Amino acid sequence: TQLLEQSPQFLSIQEGENLTVYCNSSSVFSSLQWYRQEPGEGPVLLVTVVTGGEVKKLKRLTFQFGDARKDSSLHITAAQPGDTGLYLCAADNAGNMLTFGGGTRLMVKP
Amino acid sequence: EAGVAQSPRYKIIEKRQSVAFWCNPISGHATLYWYQQILGQGPKLLIQFQNNGVVDDSQLPKDRFSAERLKGVDSTLKIQPAKLEDSAVYLCASSHQPGARFGYTFGSGTRLTVV
Repeated sequence: TQLLEQSPQFLSIQEGENLTVYCNSSSVFSSLQWYRQEPGEGPVLLVTVVTGGEVKKLKRLTFQFGDARKDSSLHITAAQPGDTGLYLCAADNAGNMLTFGGGTRLMVKP
Repeated sequence: EAGVAQSPRYKIIEKRQSVAFWCNPISGHATLYWYQQILGQGPKLLIQFQNNGVVDDSQLPKDRFSAERLKGVDSTLKIQPAKLEDSAVYLCASSHQPGARFGYTFGSGTRLTVV
């Protein structure tokens, strides 16, 4: 069973700051996804990355898949209070199921 | 498109009681998943259905948990008897095709508190 390690576990920053969260494993993934979860709601898919080295942008969010497809990062530029939430990475090792990391809880203070 | 519907939203029960959760996936989604999310952790897969058949239930504590999807649409997850450590949010998700790369759509979950 693959293990996904997310870091940091908690992050509290001021509005306007930049941040990066990481998702690492010793396993190779066929694809990796990032989700955002707000309190009282289910996770919502942000992006899926498939190719090693792939970079995808979603407004102020930049997602990168490692060259070896074992790790990924999420960078947020000029964070806003609306970015507050739990960020989860999830990986598919060519099976039909997602395994989730423990999450990074982000708080952006106005 | 309507999302994944779950009910109830909240449930408080005493230990050793039984409880059931209901999920209605997105119309046409053949694959349905139940996840358990303990406070402060990521979701953990309990069971996966493809239509009305079980694909994987290796992480389902079968001595107390059961799940069914009789007509390949709605699903129920039951806990009997509940333990304190079952306190968690139970999330249902569905996808059009099996294969994680297509992304799952999650419901809002049922928050269970066992006292």
